[in-house]
Amino acid sequence: NAGVTQTPKFRVLKTGQSMTLLCAQDMNHEYMYWYRQDPGMGLRLIHYSVGEGTTAKGEVPDGYNVSRLKKQNFLLGLESAAPSQTSVYFCASSSQRGPQGRDTQYFGPGTRLTVL
Amino acid sequence: KNEVEQSPQNLTAQEGEFITINCSYSVGISALHWLQQHPGGGIVSLFMLSSGKKKHGRLIATINIQEKHSSLHITASHPRDSAVYICAVRSMIKAAGNKLTFGGGTRVLVKP
Repeated sequence: NAGVTQTPKFRVLKTGQSMTLLCAQDMNHEYMYWYRQDPGMGLRLIHYSVGEGTTAKGEVPDGYNVSRLKKQNFLLGLESAAPSQTSVYFCASSSQRGPQGRDTQYFGPGTRLTVL
Repeated sequence: KNEVEQSPQNLTAQEGEFITINCSYSVGISALHWLQQHPGGGIVSLFMLSSGKKKHGRLIATINIQEKHSSLHITASHPRDSAVYICAVRSMIKAAGNKLTFGGGTRVLVKP
């Protein structure tokens, strides 16, 4: 099993360009998440999904859109990139076990995005 | 005030020393996670706790729910333990969808 994979690993964009980050998991997990990690700050949740066809906003959703058309994939889109979106983006997935869904989150390797 | 606070922010130890990292949180939680992020950037889950204590190899994690505090201990530290250690908490609210709130991380450097 590959676990959680992210594509691409690195990307440089110009302000105003658009792009899509792809996250894929082969563990049949219900939950998927997109985070950004910035120097001096903890991981912050951008958007998340509790199942195929559903998405919800996290802590810092502005400037991003997501889609979960297939259970194994979670896409993060930047419609018009801004320098403030320069960051490292991590995808994660987890399964829900028990009434409070306490299972571990598995992280992808990250995508380093620079917006000039 | 952040919901999850870690201390110290940075820690340098000599190989073989005992290391303790602390995490305090201010919200009701259903679980607390300790994660490790190596210099290459990958993030790995070390522990998930809802009470008591867990041990894996040289790593020990404890949690005190009443005091809203957790500690991660590394015994007989080794240079390969050099990493950023991150504390994260899961809300008690089921509708929160397993969301985690993260601390800022503790950067650990173990010198040979």
